Amino acid sequence: EPEVTQTPSHQVTQMGQEVILRCVPISNHLYFYWYRQILGQKVEFLVSFYNNEISEKSEIFDDQFSVERPDGSNFTLKIRSTKLEDSAMYFCASTMDRSYEQYFGPGTRLTVT
Amino acid sequence: DQQVKQNSPSLSVQEGRISILNCDYTNSMFDYFLWYKKYPAEGPTFLISISSIKDKNEDGRFTVFLNKSAKHLSLHIVPSQPGDSAVYFCAASAFQGGSYIPTFGRGTSLIVHP
Repeated sequence: EPEVTQTPSHQVTQMGQEVILRCVPISNHLYFYWYRQILGQKVEFLVSFYNNEISEKSEIFDDQFSVERPDGSNFTLKIRSTKLEDSAMYFCASTMDRSYEQYFGPGTRLTVT
Repeated sequence: DQQVKQNSPSLSVQEGRISILNCDYTNSMFDYFLWYKKYPAEGPTFLISISSIKDKNEDGRFTVFLNKSAKHLSLHIVPSQPGDSAVYFCAASAFQGGSYIPTFGRGTSLIVHP
């Protein structure tokens, strides 16, 4: 069964450093998403991406964040200058169409020290 | 701003019994509701959903009930099995910019004892 994959599973970085989180969505999917979950809190939407551009973003997704689909398979989330409060699980998701039912990856745990 | 609330952080149930997980929402624009299940070290997995035009949707052991007037939905699992032990997230969606972005609750951790 096809699945969304994410790398790395755990990333530790120092405050102020740039990080890139990588996702490989399901191959025939067209809509891509990033979410984050701070420990003990709810899953929060960050950004959605379709046709090589951002279609929606939340207030959390400020200028420090960017997304890219550099090739036909990867979907990346970049945080330019990490802050302590960026420590969270980051989930990538994808869908084939404008569907409510998104397929999530296993997540990347980002720890900013 | 908790538009989707799961007031029970945890629930413990005996194997074979019914598990009932509850969820309340405040935004009347929500028109689609979903339940996701999450095991440790995995991402959320879609479980079952319901449109606002229905009040019940059933899939095997899982049934979701929607009470629009009370802005309340519940997930019933019967009979509960130890493999159902996971965190269950309620989510609600409203059409925004052509993409159905869900708003999640904080989750309820279900433990099913053998």
